[in-house]
Amino acid sequence: GAGVSQSPSNKVTEKGKDVELRCDPISGHTALYWYRQSLGQGLEFLIYFQGNSAPDKSGLPSDRFSAERTGGSVSTLTIQRTQQEDSAVYLCASSFIAFSSGTPRETQYFGPGTRLLVL
Amino acid sequence: AQSVTQLDSHVSVSEGTPVLLRCNYSSSYSPSLFWYVQHPNKGLQLLLKYTSAATLVKGINGFEAEFKKSETSFHLTKPSAHMSDAAEYFCVVSDSSGTYKYIFGTGTRLKVLA
Repeated sequence: GAGVSQSPSNKVTEKGKDVELRCDPISGHTALYWYRQSLGQGLEFLIYFQGNSAPDKSGLPSDRFSAERTGGSVSTLTIQRTQQEDSAVYLCASSFIAFSSGTPRETQYFGPGTRLLVL
Repeated sequence: AQSVTQLDSHVSVSEGTPVLLRCNYSSSYSPSLFWYVQHPNKGLQLLLKYTSAATLVKGINGFEAEFKKSETSFHLTKPSAHMSDAAEYFCVVSDSSGTYKYIFGTGTRLKVLA
């Protein structure tokens, strides 16, 4: 079946501009995550959506970053007033919590990422 | 708080020789542990996962990992390296506090020499 898709695959923008990154999770997956992969920081968690629950935004680095998930499916990550330090690969992942022995265990499936370059 | 430490940032092996990528974890709970591989300019692909069943976990492409609680380790091995194994490998622990977000190691870049 179809995997996680992300668009655009590459984005070049000028400092100070806003950007929107899109993620299409695997159909039926209830959880959606955004991560950022950068040279200095490695792979870091940004935000988590699960069903209709309030998102966990604890990983967002500043209030310039926001995300939404419409209809429990597609998600958009928005970066306002981009800075050069925002340059990174932004990865989206989705999962369906599988229960074994009463304890949730899950595997996340990753999209190919959006490579963002802020000039 | 959970964390993972990948002990080697770079590993070089000759084709046909064994691969060992080391990972130690820290967790207050019974952890879920994963290994992912990332080829250049590609997304992350799951190699294998440990979720409290068998301690020896077999994955794709001949990789396996052994969960050792006494050593808090989850090392990744393969008996014979192939050129196509050259990539970056990430050890991951899942946050068991509720979100199951991933906490990544810093990665090990595997180079396979002909």
